[in-house]
Amino acid sequence: DGGITQSPKYLFRKEGQNVTLSCEQNLNHDAMYWYRQDPGQGLRLIYYSQIVNDFQKGDIAEGYSVSREKKESFPLTVTSAQKNPTAFYLCASSRDRGQTYEQYFGPGTRLTVT
Amino acid sequence: GQQVMQIPQYQHVQEGEDFTTYCNSSTTLSNIQWYKQRPGGHPVFLIQLVKSGEVKKQKRLTFQFGEAKKNSSLHITATQTTDVGTYFCAGGASYDKVIFGPGTSLSVIP
Repeated sequence: DGGITQSPKYLFRKEGQNVTLSCEQNLNHDAMYWYRQDPGQGLRLIYYSQIVNDFQKGDIAEGYSVSREKKESFPLTVTSAQKNPTAFYLCASSRDRGQTYEQYFGPGTRLTVT
Repeated sequence: GQQVMQIPQYQHVQEGEDFTTYCNSSTTLSNIQWYKQRPGGHPVFLIQLVKSGEVKKQKRLTFQFGEAKKNSSLHITATQTTDVGTYFCAGGASYDKVIFGPGTSLSVIP
């Protein structure tokens, strides 16, 4: 059963702590993305990766970091430098980075930082 | 910078009524994609339009891409409770850039 998995579904952290969100895909897709979703604001791109060991900043990369050591995995670290980390985080993948490819989304991780 | 807007932000309809959401870009797009996100869920791809003036149908859903490739619409005929969710358009800008609109949240009153 192919798809994208994200874990955990809900995550709670204290302010000042770094936290890593997991994203795994078995679709053999080259491109992977991280989005942040806040109420009424749609999807904002944090980071994307087109190939292993390469990634690019999106529109709101400050306070976040990523790695792409394997094709299947694209973890996102929310650092203590991110001023408003509480949000719904969505990971997605597509066959290629090109705009003509549909994106497949994972179930998301809802992060709450207090 | 380049923006993709959607109107309305929210829409409440009685079951059986029609619904339309509009997507507008500040610049010409090479393609438009539509996604649906159910409450508590994740976005799911619905369709992609590429050609100027293109119209595609999926059962009760009709998608249009404007002649100038700067706007698009999604029309649902005779809404059902299963149509509830947020509908996002995503515009293809440069080769590798897709910009998501803020979405239109649809509520259907049974």
